[in-house]
Amino acid sequence: EPEVTQTPSHQVTQMGQEVILRCVPISNHLYFYWYRQILGQKVEFLVSFYNNEISEKSEIFDDQFSVERPDGSNFTLKIRSTKLEDSAMYFCASREIRERETQYFGPGTRLLVL
Amino acid sequence: ILNVEQSPQSLHVQEGDSTNFTCSFPSSNFYALHWYRWETAKSPEALFVMTLNGDEKKKGRISATLNTKEGYSYLYIKGSQPEDSATYLCAYSYGGATNKLIFGTGTLLAVQP
Repeated sequence: EPEVTQTPSHQVTQMGQEVILRCVPISNHLYFYWYRQILGQKVEFLVSFYNNEISEKSEIFDDQFSVERPDGSNFTLKIRSTKLEDSAMYFCASREIRERETQYFGPGTRLLVL
Repeated sequence: ILNVEQSPQSLHVQEGDSTNFTCSFPSSNFYALHWYRWETAKSPEALFVMTLNGDEKKKGRISATLNTKEGYSYLYIKGSQPEDSATYLCAYSYGGATNKLIFGTGTLLAVQP
């Protein structure tokens, strides 16, 4: 069964460093998302991406964040200068184009900023 | 602020017990309600997408109901097994171009053999 994959599973970085989180969505899906969960808090929406551009972003998704689909398969989230409060589990998700379709999630990347 | 609440926060049951959890969400601008099952270190697994008031869906021993007028959904597990131990997340969407999900806090279920 097709699945969303994410790499790495864990990343530890120093404050101020840049990180890139990678995702391979399901191949025929056209909508892509990043969500995150800070420990003890709800899963929260960061950004959605469709047709090679951001379709919606949350207040959290400031200039330090960017997303890219560099080729036909990968979808990346870049944090330019990490802060302590960026420590969280980051989930990638994808879905087909029909609006009420299920969003399929990857297993997440646990990011720890020291 | 759109808020999704789940109760209880955690639940411990014995194998064979039946159990249920609640998800409450804004009843205005409702579009869809999603249930996910999430085990640690795995991808959240989609259980149901529910869209119509009165919807009832079933997958094996797990079923869910939806009341969009009053803004709640119930998830039922019949005859819980240890492998049902996981966090159950509900997520609400109000549609729009992106159909982003707004999640509840989840209910952590532990089933003891």
